[in-house]
Amino acid sequence: EADIYQTPRYLVIGTGKKITLECSQTMGHDKMYWYQQDPGMELHLIHYSYGVNSTEKGDLSSESTVSRIRTEHFPLTLESARPSHTSQYLCASRGPPTYGYTFGSGTRLTVV
Amino acid sequence: KQEVTQIPAALSVPEGENLVLNCSFTDSAIYNLQWFRQDPGKGLTSLLLIQSSQREQTSGRLNASLDKSSGRSTLYIAASQPGDSATYLCAASQPGGGGADGLTFGKGTHLIIQP
Repeated sequence: EADIYQTPRYLVIGTGKKITLECSQTMGHDKMYWYQQDPGMELHLIHYSYGVNSTEKGDLSSESTVSRIRTEHFPLTLESARPSHTSQYLCASRGPPTYGYTFGSGTRLTVV
Repeated sequence: KQEVTQIPAALSVPEGENLVLNCSFTDSAIYNLQWFRQDPGKGLTSLLLIQSSQREQTSGRLNASLDKSSGRSTLYIAASQPGDSATYLCAASQPGGGGADGLTFGKGTHLIIQP
């Protein structure tokens, strides 16, 4: 039973469209993360948040933006999608430092 | 900066064999080490979490060990089955890592179990 939910699971969209990828968790975790993963490649951290109103950029530069208005919700937005944004986007959350990370099922984005 | 290396990058074995996946990390100042499984095009499923003070964790046919002093962890899979075919990722969680206290991932071991 998943405690972190990502929607949509798959998205095919045209160039120039604005999109928002949703991520919600029911565990009350303060820390949430967005990773980007190209097929067969490593995961790269693109955004993270320590709690409400906290957002930071990760190791990999991304044109996406995030917001954290509620503890359980950490959406990722692309204002103008491009083919180079085609990838899988994975959301994760974590409790205290000794707790493990929980990942969502991911959103596979294709920009045509 | 923490670096995590997984060996081998790929492994193909007949069903029923016991196998070991290796993970090494350069900075021993970790909170814990976590093993994940990823099926093609899917998210990550957590398999085992070993705290820095622990030596091993077991779940069913899986056993993970941790040797902080040598910077090594192994994932042992007993009596492998075709359903075990997936990519296995290890990740170290440490202060000052990715995301200030985030995970550093290895590149994974792509495992194929032949029926």
